[in-house]
Amino acid sequence: GENVEQHPSTLSVQEGDSAVIKCTYSDSASNYFPWYKQELGKRPQLIIDIRSNVGEKKDQRIAVTLNKTAKHFSLHITETQPEDSAVYFCAARGLSGGYNKLIFGAGTRLAVHP
Amino acid sequence: NAGVTQTPKFRVLKTGQSMTLLCAQDMNHEYMYWYRQDPGMGLRLIHYSVGEGTTAKGEVPDGYNVSRLKKQNFLLGLESAAPSQTSVYFCASSYSLTYNEQFFGPGTRLTVL
Repeated sequence: GENVEQHPSTLSVQEGDSAVIKCTYSDSASNYFPWYKQELGKRPQLIIDIRSNVGEKKDQRIAVTLNKTAKHFSLHITETQPEDSAVYFCAARGLSGGYNKLIFGAGTRLAVHP
Repeated sequence: NAGVTQTPKFRVLKTGQSMTLLCAQDMNHEYMYWYRQDPGMGLRLIHYSVGEGTTAKGEVPDGYNVSRLKKQNFLLGLESAAPSQTSVYFCASSYSLTYNEQFFGPGTRLTVL
């Protein structure tokens, strides 16, 4: 079945450093890749997404890159701040049955130390 | 505009008891989803609905049932709760296939003793 692998599971950086989280997906038909941020005790919220016809997308300090050939995509956070500390989930839209189903990675716990 | 809401926020059940979790959205979204979140396992899809009156199985449907009698509501039922169903449950909704963003509810923390 469809699968999304996410690495690393935990990531610790100093404030101001960059953080990179990587995901690979199995369904070559996937065409939409969102990233969600979940702060402690809160709901997941979309922070950025990318569609398969685009190789890179930026929004201020965050960017996502997509390599369709290798079936992997990455989240890049530059100039990290303590408020970036959270769990980040990648996801790929599975097209099994044609429905809008997201398959999530297991998550990366990012800790940004002042 | 409340977005996606869930009731209850917390619940403790004994093994074998039943309960229903309610999800409501006021965004006129067609698609609704139920996920469970367990440590180290991300969000796993239990059941989903592509419109009023329709439901379909996700990755981990066993032990759960759902109903979507009204477009704005999606109910998740546990007929006979088991300790393995201890988890945080999130409901989500999205507008359509084209607009993919899923909006999540605040979650329900369920403990089965």
